[in-house]
Amino acid sequence: ILNVEQSPQSLHVQEGDSTNFTCSFPSSNFYALHWYRWETAKSPEALFVMTLNGDEKKKGRISATLNTKEGYSYLYIKGSQPEDSATYLCAFWSGYALNFGKGTSLLVTP
Amino acid sequence: DVKVTQSSRYLVKRTGEKVFLECVQDMDHENMFWYRQDPGLGLRLIYFSYDVKMKEKGDIPEGYSVSREKKERFSLILESASTNQTSMYLCASSLSSPGQSEAFFGQGTRLTVV
Repeated sequence: ILNVEQSPQSLHVQEGDSTNFTCSFPSSNFYALHWYRWETAKSPEALFVMTLNGDEKKKGRISATLNTKEGYSYLYIKGSQPEDSATYLCAFWSGYALNFGKGTSLLVTP
Repeated sequence: DVKVTQSSRYLVKRTGEKVFLECVQDMDHENMFWYRQDPGLGLRLIYFSYDVKMKEKGDIPEGYSVSREKKERFSLILESASTNQTSMYLCASSLSSPGQSEAFFGQGTRLTVV
């Protein structure tokens, strides 16, 4: 079982705050790193698929960076909104399957 | 839109019953996966398949089996349901190289074994 760690486990911020989460993964035999957002009562949806060291991806107020040599990725949310409340999952593609971290649960209050 | 459909949203079964969870995808994806999600444990891989009639064990295959007779359908089977299999089950599919492409998930089946 590949170890994919996410921190923090949960986060509570005020509307307008910026925040970031960390995902750490095995640095050897890297294939890809995925980020997903999972809202309550919905299915997980992909945010980013990252494959290259130094990759930076952006979608609206959300961005992510990737460091494959040291085995970590950061997800940033700028100016958090209540609709950003969700669980954010990272997943490491090991060459045969996606291995997920336990997620970071974000709550944004007005 | 890619669609991954799981046959039931909620299911209640008795201990010892044989349980079938069905998953169908409409995007001709080669890979299909079954995960279970439990509080504090995240998504754990049960089984996956990269082609028709092919199957591979994930991290927690004990007590489960799978069937993939057609490309679009991937079934998870609990041969004799037990209470420790009470969980949320998620099916996902992806193109043959998910390192390059995202996975698409079904809506989940919340199974309760009593």
